[in-house]
Amino acid sequence: GAGVSQSPSNKVTEKGKDVELRCDPISGHTALYWYRQRLGQGLEFLIYFQGNSAPDKSGLPSDRFSAERTGESVSTLTIQRTQQEDSAVYLCASSLDRGQGGYTFGSGTRLTVV
Amino acid sequence: GQSLEQPSEVTAVEGAIVQINCTYQTSGFYGLSWYQQHDGGAPTFLSYNALDGLEETGRFSSFLSRSDSYGYLLLQELQMKDSASYFCAVRDQTGANNLFFGTGTRLTVIP
Repeated sequence: GAGVSQSPSNKVTEKGKDVELRCDPISGHTALYWYRQRLGQGLEFLIYFQGNSAPDKSGLPSDRFSAERTGESVSTLTIQRTQQEDSAVYLCASSLDRGQGGYTFGSGTRLTVV
Repeated sequence: GQSLEQPSEVTAVEGAIVQINCTYQTSGFYGLSWYQQHDGGAPTFLSYNALDGLEETGRFSSFLSRSDSYGYLLLQELQMKDSASYFCAVRDQTGANNLFFGTGTRLTVIP
């Protein structure tokens, strides 16, 4: 697509429920990243996918968080047994490669855990 | 690990020039990037410096000094629409391919 598409744009869920967030990167972008941004804070790296290589999961905050990507297409970020501390905007970005840091971000999913 | 420091807030007058500084510490270094984010919006890429010196793109310029682990973003002829948060980010050569972001500088442009 023309840009990075994320869905849903907003999600309110009850504490303890599982949620699944979707990211559709720019066609042809081999790299895909998930970041978390709490209110008024910077971007916190979660996970990185590059082509068919094993993902870099070093930023995932707990085993309740997982993500998948099939080839160079859509990615899903799953948060199990959500906690109030998981409330944040989850941003997805894609890029052609690691070349010059020019990521294209989606508009994010605003997750609120009540 | 990585750490980046930038001022939390800056206020400047419309039409003026403002400089947003960023100092970083990384175990390796592979370039400094700048992103702009309006409230409720997605971060958008502004510039990238891999080598020392100044990169100019229209009203925005970015500078890097690798020996000082320091960079800045320079915004000229400020416009009201420049009010946003600005993030510096580094790619750690010894780490993964992901960017590590600073906590951001909130720029407010006043008339």
